[in-house]
Amino acid sequence: DTAVSQTPKYLVTQMGNDKSIKCEQNLGHDTMYWYKQDSKKFLKIMFSYNNKELIINETVPNRFSPKSPDKAHLNLHINSLELGDSAVYFCASSHDTSYGYTFGSGTRLTVV
Amino acid sequence: KQEVTQIPAALSVPEGENLVLNCSFTDSAIYNLQWFRQDPGKGLTSLLLIQSSQREQTSGRLNASLDKSSGRSTLYIAASQPGDSATYLCAPGDSGNTPLVFGKGTRLSVIA
Repeated sequence: DTAVSQTPKYLVTQMGNDKSIKCEQNLGHDTMYWYKQDSKKFLKIMFSYNNKELIINETVPNRFSPKSPDKAHLNLHINSLELGDSAVYFCASSHDTSYGYTFGSGTRLTVV
Repeated sequence: KQEVTQIPAALSVPEGENLVLNCSFTDSAIYNLQWFRQDPGKGLTSLLLIQSSQREQTSGRLNASLDKSSGRSTLYIAASQPGDSATYLCAPGDSGNTPLVFGKGTRLSVIA
């Protein structure tokens, strides 16, 4: 299956913990993104990587650190989790703006 | 900075009706526009991608139009079915690596 896959699908963790979310795409796309969807369902860009290089870094706490080992992977590491980090995080990829975006199925993070 | 507005925020219709979802955006210098569907608790599924040089795209019962100069797009759904119930999101895309900006979506309920 050609797709954008995220793991885990669900993540429940305590405040103060450090966690990672992984994303992989096998579409041959050269740009990958992390979006956050809050409780009001609003999707907001967090990071964008092109060929393993960070090109967009919106105003997010520096507790969030993306890592791209290669252009098919973009992982999101979160330190010192807070209650307000609870949300659904979506990974996406694109090859060229002509071809649109493909989204992963999301990771629902719950911080308790 | 691109801002996207979708009207209405929610819509409830009986099965079989034709309906129109509206999307407006502030920066008309877009490269394309993508319509997505999001089912509750799920990821985003791409429905239609319209390039800036096109005026419309069709897929089955869905038709999306684009008026780039006025900053508007509409998604027309013909003969709606209960399975069409979902949140519909539009996202204009800029050239280069600028990430998609989303509206808050239209939550559609089609009642049998």
